[in-house]
Amino acid sequence: AQSVTQPDIHITVSEGASLELRCNYSYGATPYLFWYVQSPGQGLQLLLKYFSGDTLVQGIKGFEAEFKRSQSSFNLRKPSVHWSDAAEYFCAVGAVTGGGNKLTFGTGTQLKVEL
Amino acid sequence: IAGITQAPTSQILAAGRRMTLRCTQDMRHNAMYWYRQDLGLGLRLIHYSNTAGTTGKGEVPDGYSVSRANTDDFPLTLASAVPSQTSVYFCASSASDSGDTQYFGPGTRLTVL
Repeated sequence: AQSVTQPDIHITVSEGASLELRCNYSYGATPYLFWYVQSPGQGLQLLLKYFSGDTLVQGIKGFEAEFKRSQSSFNLRKPSVHWSDAAEYFCAVGAVTGGGNKLTFGTGTQLKVEL
Repeated sequence: IAGITQAPTSQILAAGRRMTLRCTQDMRHNAMYWYRQDLGLGLRLIHYSNTAGTTGKGEVPDGYSVSRANTDDFPLTLASAVPSQTSVYFCASSASDSGDTQYFGPGTRLTVL
């Protein structure tokens, strides 16, 4: 079974600083990987996804993530954080099995942005 | 384009009562999913449906049932609610069951007293 670890529960950065949110996964085959963002009281919005091909993936709102198979990681990065990026971020790994498309989520990282 | 709608937005329910959470999508997606979100646990899959007429169990199915009579609707039923089912429930859909992106609804906040 697949699993996802987001080791940082909370992260605080200053506006304009760079950001990296960590995500490690466990899965026996090549995974599908996703980053979602959730603003307070809202649903989840897809930031970016990796299915195959180029291991550096660009997403919305200036985010990018890099798939590193050797480290089983899919870290999310942004070069300059904006106050509006404050939210909770979830990494997820997808597995296509005989039972269909199932996502396993990490426990999330809460991002606070200091002005 | 509405995407995915969920109803109600929030609900307070007495333990032992029956409750159905509604989910409707207008994207003609084949696959649909129900997740619950709890603090510190992230989102966990309750049930899923790969196509109309079929359903399957996720990670935490006990106490919940689903049906998929048509493509658009995927209701989640709590036959006899218990306090441990207090959570935020999200419905999601994807075009297929083959690794497509899942799109999420706005959620239903359920409190069982």
